[in-house]
Amino acid sequence: GDSVTQMEGPVTLSEEAFLTINCTYTATGYPSLFWYVQYPGEGLQLLLKATKADDKGSNKGFEATYRKETTSFHLEKGSVQVSDSAVYFCALREYGGSQGNLIFGKGTKLSVKP
Amino acid sequence: DVKVTQSSRYLVKRTGEKVFLECVQDMDHENMFWYRQDPGLGLRLIYFSYDVKMKEKGDIPEGYSVSREKKERFSLILESASTNQTSMYLCASSYRTGVRSGANVLTFGAGSRLTVL
Repeated sequence: GDSVTQMEGPVTLSEEAFLTINCTYTATGYPSLFWYVQYPGEGLQLLLKATKADDKGSNKGFEATYRKETTSFHLEKGSVQVSDSAVYFCALREYGGSQGNLIFGKGTKLSVKP
Repeated sequence: DVKVTQSSRYLVKRTGEKVFLECVQDMDHENMFWYRQDPGLGLRLIYFSYDVKMKEKGDIPEGYSVSREKKERFSLILESASTNQTSMYLCASSYRTGVRSGANVLTFGAGSRLTVL
């Protein structure tokens, strides 16, 4: 079945460092891909998404590009802030999936130190 | 501001108790979901519903049931709580997707942290 694999954390960075969180997927067809973020004590919220190959999703300085050839959707940010400390989840939805269910990776916890 | 509201943020129950977790959304979404979140395991789907009175099992339905009597409300029921059901429970909702629709977005509630003693 479909699955998502993302790098294990925790990841600890200093403020203004460059961030990459790797995400690869296994799916039949052409899934839509998502990054969700969960701040401490809160539910998940959508960070960015991409629906087809070579699409780039971006939001709040974060970017991810849908790479079909490598089945990847890595999350990047050029300069992280303390406020970016959170758990990040990569997810996919199978193309044509009528129920809208997402398959999530296990999450990567990011801690940014001042 | 659109919302998914989970009625209880923190609950403590005893083994064998019946537990109700309530979720209400105000976005007129057709789909509603219950996930369980555990460290190192990510989010796992328990049940989902794509219409009133309709439900489908997710990946880990054992020990749980659900109820959807109204479009805006989706309840998760633990008939007899056990310690291995201690977890964070997340409710989410979305519009129904068509075969050729674009990516849809799940809107999540803040979560209900359940401890079973």
